[in-house]
Amino acid sequence: QKEVEQDPGPLSVPEGAIVSLNCTYSNSAFQYFMWYRQYSRKGPELLMYTYSSGNKEDGRFTAQVDKSSKYISLFIRDSQPSDSATYLCAMSERNFGNEKLTFGTGTRLTIIP
Amino acid sequence: EADIYQTPRYLVIGTGKKITLECSQTMGHDKMYWYQQDPGMELHLIHYSYGVNSTEKGDLSSESTVSRIRTEHFPLTLESARPSHTSQYLCASSPPTRNTEAFFGQGTRLTVV
Repeated sequence: QKEVEQDPGPLSVPEGAIVSLNCTYSNSAFQYFMWYRQYSRKGPELLMYTYSSGNKEDGRFTAQVDKSSKYISLFIRDSQPSDSATYLCAMSERNFGNEKLTFGTGTRLTIIP
Repeated sequence: EADIYQTPRYLVIGTGKKITLECSQTMGHDKMYWYQQDPGMELHLIHYSYGVNSTEKGDLSSESTVSRIRTEHFPLTLESARPSHTSQYLCASSPPTRNTEAFFGQGTRLTVV
């Protein structure tokens, strides 16, 4: 079983819709949770970063972590065609030292104008 | 935009050839990483370095080798390329106290024919 599970999609939604992207994980020691966005033919870029359980909002993006369920979500409000990309979740136990990131497979999202 | 550069962006090469994928960053980060990314699959860590003269193998076994003679430079070498090496290779670096904030290059898409 993979440590991090993510629905690969693809997911297509109309412009303006609310998008929900999700990951589940099995390692209860994960404390740092990230969402990366990867445009076609580009490297991933950090979009959101949260520590432990709770919500974090940044403009149209909200990251949500439920450690009791080992479940994280990224919500995109008022989705735009420029949001079309692959979204990867990533997790780690610590954010310092020799810690490494564990990534999900990524969900490919298309926003239809 | 992150100051981490990979060359070449695309490479098509014949079986048996020796290749070196270049990665340079101008942020002064000690930590650097090489990931392999295949369609629909999660990023797999193949090599990492915590500073000059420090290199370690990652979670995914790879026939490639790396070197870290200068802080800013982390090249990856394949002594004899095979079709099974066809993949996207992503280089990344992160600041000393924030492993979670990985900055990625644009990637090198390698095709071995």
